[in-house]
Amino acid sequence: GENVEQHPSTLSVQEGDSAVIKCTYSDSASNYFPWYKQELGKGPQLIIDIRSNVGEKKDQRIAVTLNKTAKHFSLHITETQPEDSAVYFCAASTGRKYIFGTGTRLKVLA
Amino acid sequence: NAGVMQNPRHLVRRRGQEARLRCSPMKGHSHVYWYRQLPEEGLKFMVYLQKENIIDESGMPKERFSAEFPKEGPSILRIQQVVRGDSAAYFCASSPGQGNTGELFFGEGSRLTVL
Repeated sequence: GENVEQHPSTLSVQEGDSAVIKCTYSDSASNYFPWYKQELGKGPQLIIDIRSNVGEKKDQRIAVTLNKTAKHFSLHITETQPEDSAVYFCAASTGRKYIFGTGTRLKVLA
Repeated sequence: NAGVMQNPRHLVRRRGQEARLRCSPMKGHSHVYWYRQLPEEGLKFMVYLQKENIIDESGMPKERFSAEFPKEGPSILRIQQVVRGDSAAYFCASSPGQGNTGELFFGEGSRLTVL
């Protein structure tokens, strides 16, 4: 069945450093790739997304890249801050079903 | 401009009881998704519904679980004869409609504890 693998499961970085989270998907029909941030006790919130006709997208300190041939996409957070600490989920969607990765717990150390 | 509303936020049930979780999608959204999240784990797809229709229930356990999204009122996820393994956070998300590949808006979740 459809599957999204996400790595690493935990990531600790020093404040100001960059963080990179990687995902791989299996369904070649996927054409939409959102990233969600989940803080403790809350629901996931969209932070950035990318569609299959785009290779890279940037929004301030956050960027996402997509390699459709390799079925890889990545989240890059630069100049990390303590408030970036949370669990991050990638997802791949065909427009019908959204399959989520297993999550990355990011800790930004002050 | 209310977001996705889920209630109750917390629910405690004893083994064998029934749990009903409700989800009101964002205004104008006709599609609802339910996900289950176990502690320290990811979001597992359960079911995808539109008004009066189940589109995809491939993630739903075959027994004890059911979901509906009536023409009027919220979507309901029903768990009969709950067991301890049902303890989890259940998240609802809504979107404008099928084929509109776009953002899912999540609620804050309903946390079920089975004693």
